[in-house]
Amino acid sequence: DVKVTQSSRYLVKRTGEKVFLECVQDMDHENMFWYRQDPGLGLRLIYFSYDVKMKEKGDIPEGYSVSREKKERFSLILESASTNQTSMYLCASTPGGGFLQPQHFGDGTRLSIL
Amino acid sequence: EDQVTQSPEALRLQEGESSSLNCSYTVSGLRGLFWYRQDPGKGPEFLFTLYSAGEEKEKERLKATLTKKESFLHITAPKPEDSATYLCAVSGGNNRKLIWGLGTSLAVNP
Repeated sequence: DVKVTQSSRYLVKRTGEKVFLECVQDMDHENMFWYRQDPGLGLRLIYFSYDVKMKEKGDIPEGYSVSREKKERFSLILESASTNQTSMYLCASTPGGGFLQPQHFGDGTRLSIL
Repeated sequence: EDQVTQSPEALRLQEGESSSLNCSYTVSGLRGLFWYRQDPGKGPEFLFTLYSAGEEKEKERLKATLTKKESFLHITAPKPEDSATYLCAVSGGNNRKLIWGLGTSLAVNP
């Protein structure tokens, strides 16, 4: 089974801090994704990556950046955390095929910005 | 505008009481429709992919069907362990990314 591991289940940070969320997958998947999930808004795509060192903006990239230096690892960076970035963050991966293949999700990081 | 709407928002069933969840979509040129299950505090877990109208997929007590306008997730004789939020996502239209519905929260009482 594919394993997508997110480094923290819960995280509390302060406004203005630089925050790193880490995601690792163990199945040599090409594509990786970052979403945030909020009540009433559903899943919204922040960034995705088709390959190492490649990244593309999703629907809500403002205030975020990403890094993919190795195939198995995709990091989400909050450059200067703000309270409206309090959310559940979900990482996902697919073997290829972009959005046409089922996505395998991690269990999420619940991030609170105070 | 490409859109995915799930109904009902919440559903409460008695154990053994069969029902259906709906996912209606307005995208031109459907490329695929996905069903996921999400337990509280967990990430979504993939259930089914449907690619063309008339297609059906089954897994245990769940059966997913697809028409040109909507998909149904039929739950036959549900058990309490089927309690979860069921999410629908569509790939198609002008947006190559997935369009997600807001989900149906299902509670099955023993």
